[in-house]
Amino acid sequence: GIQVEQSPPDLILQEGANSTLRCNFSDSVNNLQWFHQNPWGQLINLFYIPSGTKQNGRLSATTVATERYSLLYISSSQTTDSGVYFCAVLNAGGTSYGKLTFGQGTILTVHP
Amino acid sequence: NAGVTQTPKFQVLKTGQSMTLQCAQDMNHNSMYWYRQDPGMGLRLIYYSASEGTTDKGEVPNGYNVSRLNKREFSLRLESAAPSQTSVYFCASSESDRRGLGNTIYFGEGSWLTVV
Repeated sequence: GIQVEQSPPDLILQEGANSTLRCNFSDSVNNLQWFHQNPWGQLINLFYIPSGTKQNGRLSATTVATERYSLLYISSSQTTDSGVYFCAVLNAGGTSYGKLTFGQGTILTVHP
Repeated sequence: NAGVTQTPKFQVLKTGQSMTLQCAQDMNHNSMYWYRQDPGMGLRLIYYSASEGTTDKGEVPNGYNVSRLNKREFSLRLESAAPSQTSVYFCASSESDRRGLGNTIYFGEGSWLTVV
């Protein structure tokens, strides 16, 4: 099956700093999403971004499907950004019917 | 609009006991999912339902059964719980076409299950 690798595995920032999280995938995808899991365990969908660039406030994401990677940018980080960020993809081949494959996640800690 | 609701939120089982996790969504989505999350393993798909009346195995289906009761509800059953099934379980739903295009996925708040 498709492999999803996220980097870095851990990231520690001071409030106000910027960061870039990366997601590499091993095959063509027709669906890619970024999620944030907050310290209480809740999973929030940040972006649906199989290709191109999107922005939502301090967060933006870019997927270069031809090169099989996606980037999540967090600017002016806040303590509420802490948590785990997951990338999830759907392989473009076969009959996957929406069965997303998740990466291992990046644990982000933002200190005040 | 509650989104995806799953119950119970916390449960402790003894080895060999059975239980059912309930999930309901009010977004009129066709597709529903059950994932489990373990430390260092990310989220792994247990079972999937593309539409009412259909179910499909995911990455880790052994020890589980599912029922897509109607379009809103998708339950996960542990027939004989084992300590290896201690995990956090997430139900999710999405609207999707046959190839899964455009299916933003929405998660419930999770169910913490401990098997002793």
